[in-house]
Amino acid sequence: EIVMTQSPASLSVSPGERATLSCRASQSVINNLAWYQQQRGQAPRLLMFGASTRATGTPARFSGSGSGTEFTLTISSLQPEDFAVYYCQQYNNWPLAFGGGTKVEIK
Amino acid sequence: QVQLQESGPGLVKPSETLSLTCTISGGSISGYYWAWLRQPPGEGLEFIGNVYETGSTNYSPSLRSRVAISVDTSKNQLSLKLTSVTAADTAVYFCARRHKLVNYFDYWGQGTLVTVSS
Repeated sequence: EIVMTQSPASLSVSPGERATLSCRASQSVINNLAWYQQQRGQAPRLLMFGASTRATGTPARFSGSGSGTEFTLTISSLQPEDFAVYYCQQYNNWPLAFGGGTKVEIK
Repeated sequence: QVQLQESGPGLVKPSETLSLTCTISGGSISGYYWAWLRQPPGEGLEFIGNVYETGSTNYSPSLRSRVAISVDTSKNQLSLKLTSVTAADTAVYFCARRHKLVNYFDYWGQGTLVTVSS
């Protein structure tokens, strides 16, 4: 089974600043990686797939990069609605697996 | 716009069977895989399994011995049964639509909290 590890577990950022979130896979998932945003008390929302393709409705300030085992989600200028928990998910191998999440908090 | 809504008991006794239903509206159940996932309080997401309209299923190895997912295309519903539950099965349970061609989830229900307690 592939294990997904996200870092840091939490990140304090001021509005308008840049946030960089990392996701590492225990073996290559090629570019079969998705990112989700989860607001408190809500369902996850698909942000990115294919490591770097924005899902419908995802603002351009979100960008994804990486391949193989190392991936990054960057939020270029944090808006109030971006403070949430972010999860990565690999879909290259069964079973599908999620990372433990990164909580982006207001500094 | 596809909408998913989970329903079922919010409290289940230890050793009993957890049963949930997900009703899909705004779109057909046909042509897609439909999944169940869960999230223990304060923790991350866990994939439970998914089902296709034909009834074909994939399950997480860690839950395979206790889980059954089925689909009722006439009602546009999918169901989850998890047997022999313990407190570790306490979680918010989500149903979600898997993308047609690849295995990520593009539509989610709001989730329902199931607590396992006597």
